[in-house]
Amino acid sequence: EIVLTQSPGTLSLSPGERATLSCRASQSVGSRYLAWYQQKPGQTPRLLIYGASSRATGIPDRFSGSGSGTDFTLTISRLEPEDSAVFYCQQYGSSPPMYTFGQGTKLEIK
Amino acid sequence: QVQLQESGPGLVKPSGTLSLTCAVSGGSISSSNWWSWVRQPPGKGLEWIGEIYHSGSTNYNPSLKSRVTISVDKSKNQFSLKLSSVTAADTALYYCARFKNEYPVGYYFDCWGQGTLVTVSS
Repeated sequence: EIVLTQSPGTLSLSPGERATLSCRASQSVGSRYLAWYQQKPGQTPRLLIYGASSRATGIPDRFSGSGSGTDFTLTISRLEPEDSAVFYCQQYGSSPPMYTFGQGTKLEIK
Repeated sequence: QVQLQESGPGLVKPSGTLSLTCAVSGGSISSSNWWSWVRQPPGKGLEWIGEIYHSGSTNYNPSLKSRVTISVDKSKNQFSLKLSSVTAADTALYYCARFKNEYPVGYYFDCWGQGTLVTVSS
């Protein structure tokens, strides 16, 4: 089973700054199988990025994903107050089918 | 636009069986997607429980496999979760979700229910 480790656990930044969130996999993950989600308090997870770098429909271009192999990154440029949330990376493995999530990074906007 | 809605008892006794249903609207459960259950204990992260295809094929998280059964009812456009021998550790917000296969671009959960809180307590 592939384990995803996200860092940092908590990130506290000011509006207008850039956030860099890391997701490291215990084994190589195909880029097409890596996604990022945003979950605000009391809300359902929302898909941000799929295929490691493709933005989901309606997601602002301030959000971008990159990486390959075992290291993936979610970058949020020009932070806004409404970006406060927990962010999860998730991978899909096909043999056998299995989905795993990272433990999450909490982003606080000061 | 596909919408998912979970339903079921919010309280289950220890050693009992948790039973939830996910109703799919705005689309057919017989589309080329897998349908999953994901849970989130209060204040914690997300855990995939298992999935089903409209044909009835299933895949389960190995850590829960011995206690989980997921089934589909195409006539009602819904799928269901049963989790047996529950303990307090199974207390969580349970989500149903659609998994999208957009080969070769990406694979992801694109649609989620609102979630239903299930508490295991006597």
